[in-house]
Order: sequence, then C-alpha cells, then structure tokens
Amino acid sequence: QITLKESGPTLVKPTQTLTLTCTFSGFSLTTTGVGVGWIRQPPGKALEWLALIYWDDDKRYSPSLKSRLTITKDTSKNQVVLTMTDMDPVDTATYYCAHRTSALVVGFDYWGQGTLVTVSS
Amino acid sequence: SYELTQPPSVSVSPGQTASITCSGDKLGDKYVCWYQQKPGQSPVLVIYQDTKRPSGIPERFSGSNSGNTVTLTISGTQAMDEADYYCQAWDSNSVVFGGGTKLTVL
Repeated sequence: QITLKESGPTLVKPTQTLTLTCTFSGFSLTTTGVGVGWIRQPPGKALEWLALIYWDDDKRYSPSLKSRLTITKDTSKNQVVLTMTDMDPVDTATYYCAHRTSALVVGFDYWGQGTLVTVSS
Repeated sequence: SYELTQPPSVSVSPGQTASITCSGDKLGDKYVCWYQQKPGQSPVLVIYQDTKRPSGIPERFSGSNSGNTVTLTISGTQAMDEADYYCQAWDSNSVVFGGGTKLTVL
C-alpha cells in the first residue's frame, strides 16, 4: 500500500524559506522508474506543478519557479524534501507530494493529503 | 510555456454523458492523463496514457486523444462524479496541468 504524507510549517513569513518534507511508504525511491513530485494548489485555484525527483536523482523543476526551488531525496528515510526560497503571500497554497512511475508515461498515481502553507507577516 | 486549456465549467444531467475537453498545441503527439478532485480532497488519477483507467476507476470514465484536443468522457454520469477535473501532460520534461473544469451534475 503506497502512502505519502507532507509535513512542514503551516505559516511562514514573506521572504523566508519554506522547507517541506514528504514521507512515504509502500515503495522505494531506489526502484527504477519511480519518482516523487510536488504540486501546489492555491485556495480555489488550479493545480501547479513544482518539482520532480527520480530514482536516479534526475531532477526536474517548473521553469517559472526553478530559481527558487530545490528538491532532494533521502532514500534511507523514505523522504523527499522541497525547499522554496523567498516566499511571498501568492505562494499560499496546499502543497501536495505525489508518486509516479515511468510505466504510467504521464501522471501521478498516489497523492498525499496535502499541507496548507500560509504566507503572511 | 506550454498551456493546456479546459472549459471552466461543464454541466450534465444525471445518467447523461459528460465530455470535458483539454486542448493544447500538438497535444495529439503527447500522452495525457486526467485527475478528479472533490472539495477538500487530493486529486485522484482517473485516466492515464490518454485512454487507460487505473485499477478501481469505474468503466464509465474513458479518454480519447485526437489532434489538438483530448476528451474525458463520463458515461451515465452520477451525482458522485461532481468534481473538478484536471488534464495533465508532459512538455519539454516539464509537467503541465490544465486550468481545471468544474463538472456540475444537475
């Protein structure tokens, strides 16, 4: 059974750096083809992809946010960490992590419950 | 940057067929997936590789891809299908989501 859970601060101040952790079970990020991505959703708005890391440490970033994002993995802890610098109120959103495999070709098949991050002074 | 365009809303009567479109440049050359998201819940993958259904997804959900438009079709729509639906594709090694379509069953 694959599960993912996001954790991190619920409130950050403008200009601060956000660090979110995705802790997962039921799969290994050392298995060929497996990846974990981060997606966010501002209140009442659409999904927006942020970053993706694969079993071989290949990393992909949203072109519009690339300069602010870093994604890393700790396979021993079954965790993926996303950092986003220079937070702004427009970054207020629910942040999700999600699992994918290359067998899907496209898409994320398991999602965490999401964590709401509010950016406010 | 690549864009996927969805209608903001679609309405359907119970038992009828709902069609939700997603359009983008040369979208027919890409694989697309669809998610269902109900209020307060995480997205659920309902279609991948244009036409395939993950385990547990009802057969009334189907997908097609032709030209620059992909379509999610829900046959015999039920009240429980009322939700937001998002298409997603890859472009230049980036994940791209559509703007979402609110499906109302009334």
